[in-house]
Amino acid sequence: AQTVTQSQPEMSVQEAETVTLSCTYDTSESDYYLFWYKQPPSRQMILVIRQEAYKQQNATENRFSVNFQKAAKSFSLKISDSQLGDAAMYFCAYRRGPGGFKTIFGAGTRLFVKA
Amino acid sequence: SAVISQKPSRDICQRGTSLTIQCQVDSQVTMMFWYRQQPGQSLTLIATANQGSEATYESGFVIDKFPISRPNLTFSTLTVSNMSPEDSSIYLCSGIAGVVETQYFGPGTRLLVL
Repeated sequence: AQTVTQSQPEMSVQEAETVTLSCTYDTSESDYYLFWYKQPPSRQMILVIRQEAYKQQNATENRFSVNFQKAAKSFSLKISDSQLGDAAMYFCAYRRGPGGFKTIFGAGTRLFVKA
Repeated sequence: SAVISQKPSRDICQRGTSLTIQCQVDSQVTMMFWYRQQPGQSLTLIATANQGSEATYESGFVIDKFPISRPNLTFSTLTVSNMSPEDSSIYLCSGIAGVVETQYFGPGTRLLVL
């Protein structure tokens, strides 16, 4: 069975600094997607970044980038130039695909941003 | 992209009663899901809502307690039946849309059962 592990329940970063959130997963599939979702205190879950397993290049979205290590089954999220609005719960997620399979979420990492 | 709305946004209910949560998507989604989330915790999948047929429930969730309907590609309902305080939680609707199969989430329904 596939699993997603986030070993950092909480992280803290100073405004304008860089922080990395860790995620490892376990799967025997070769075709899958990995995601980072952000859930601010308002509760609306939004997609931050996605990575297709077949792509070697790490995904980047503005200040957000990932370090995808397929062999090590590691998928960390780096947030550069942290802003107060980045404070949220971050969930790492895995989905086998394509084909509409259900998504497996990690336990989440709560990120605090200090002014 | 897809925008998902839920009604109600929150409710306080008495034990033994039932509440139906509505989920509306502004565009067609291939798959729809219902999740439960306790504050500060991860998401627990309740079921996959199947269009025109019975939902597919995860272990620990049953149709009698959480009946789900999905009459078309943009709408679904989740009913929490015969509620007890243990059902107090946030219920999230979600859908997968697009060629790249992006998953979108509704804002959630915060339920408190007294």
